[in-house]
Amino acid sequence: DTGVSQNPRHKITKRGQNVTFRCDPISEHNRLYWYRQTLGQGPEFLTYFQNEAQLEKSRLLSDRFSAERPKGSFSTLEIQRTEQGDSAMYLCASSLQAGDGYGYTFGSGTRLTVV
Amino acid sequence: AQSVAQPEDQVNVAEGNPLTVKCTYSVSGNPYLFWYVQYPNRGLQFLLKYITGDNLVKGSYGFEAEFNKSQTSFHLKKPSALVSDSALYFCAVRDSSASKIIFGSGTRLSIRP
Repeated sequence: DTGVSQNPRHKITKRGQNVTFRCDPISEHNRLYWYRQTLGQGPEFLTYFQNEAQLEKSRLLSDRFSAERPKGSFSTLEIQRTEQGDSAMYLCASSLQAGDGYGYTFGSGTRLTVV
Repeated sequence: AQSVAQPEDQVNVAEGNPLTVKCTYSVSGNPYLFWYVQYPNRGLQFLLKYITGDNLVKGSYGFEAEFNKSQTSFHLKKPSALVSDSALYFCAVRDSSASKIIFGSGTRLSIRP
């Protein structure tokens, strides 16, 4: 197991285009999280899954954003009609069940630039 | 509600000197506390965590953190700083009854030779 994998590493897109990112978590981890990080800030929570169920979404996640984890393994985060304000690093993390105080293992992130 | 504060945007230390990066938190239940480090254009790497037990927690790369319940603090420390410790450090907290970790705004640690 090579840890949490995110693709692509970098994405440059024109405003108004749709983009999709992929996250492959550690195989035995049943929880998967998406965070967004802008320059000089800490990661902000977007959403998380337990297996295939999306259990919580942040108010930051507008209706242009959608996330899926169809078989409880990999996850995708899609942004429709991208805006310049969407430019950020999108981080994925996975963990075992939250109740035991496990920390997260993060991927290297996908850096999105909207021009 | 849960929150975490890192009052210093930047900490500058000479190599070989001790370092401290400050963190305070607020939770309604019992806190789970974490420190992560981030190098340029990379994801976050786990350093250490406090769940329960001894207030002094030891982690990776010689770092340690002290949990202080009365002051609601979880400061990161290292006895002797290295230039390679220069990076962005994030404190994070999760209430034991909550499902997600909340991160602070980060502290940039700069170690000069």
